[in-house]
Amino acid sequence: SQTIHQWPATLVQPVGSPLSLECTVEGTSNPNLYWYRQAAGRGLQLLFYSVGIGQISSEVPQNLSASRPQDRQFILSSKKLLLSDSGFYLCAWSPQSRGQINYGYTFGSGTRLTVV
Amino acid sequence: GQSLEQPSEVTAVEGAIVQINCTYQTSGFYGLSWYQQHDGGAPTFLSYNGLDGLEETGRFSSFLSRSDSYGYLLLQELQMKDSASYFCAVRDPPKGNYQLIWGAGTKLIIKP
Repeated sequence: SQTIHQWPATLVQPVGSPLSLECTVEGTSNPNLYWYRQAAGRGLQLLFYSVGIGQISSEVPQNLSASRPQDRQFILSSKKLLLSDSGFYLCAWSPQSRGQINYGYTFGSGTRLTVV
Repeated sequence: GQSLEQPSEVTAVEGAIVQINCTYQTSGFYGLSWYQQHDGGAPTFLSYNGLDGLEETGRFSSFLSRSDSYGYLLLQELQMKDSASYFCAVRDPPKGNYQLIWGAGTKLIIKP
């Protein structure tokens, strides 16, 4: 069965420090991968998505970046965090096959980031 | 623009039935999905409607009318554990690779 791992669960970082959040998927190959951010009590904001190794699309211009060095690994990074980067970060995957279009997204357990 | 509208909050009583509506305006449509998110947790997939009609999964049902750009999630025999936020989402082909457009979420409050 497919599983998705995301870490760390919580993170407190000072303003201006770097960030690296990692997400890995098991039990599937060539997944679509996503990074979302959710502010408290709000909806989901898509940050990045990837359809393959090294293929990253950005939805929102900001000081964050993403990389996909391996098929099932997705990394969210920042060189210098801002206060406004605080939030709940979620990694997710979905099948690429159009025949599985009725499959939902599977989310990781999330990382709660507080920038102080 | 592309948008999904759903109520911000719904209150219901334990054991009752509640319906959460979602209307959408998107340039394309490949189906309506519903997700549940408990406080502090990650969203989990509940259901998908690609065609008009009702899909039932246990106590939860989801309905779609493509002509009305409308769907709803129906929760029956409400339990306290159903207290959560519920998101509707539409697959929009122009966004490519089955990206989802998300509603802002409906917070369901269940009273004993």
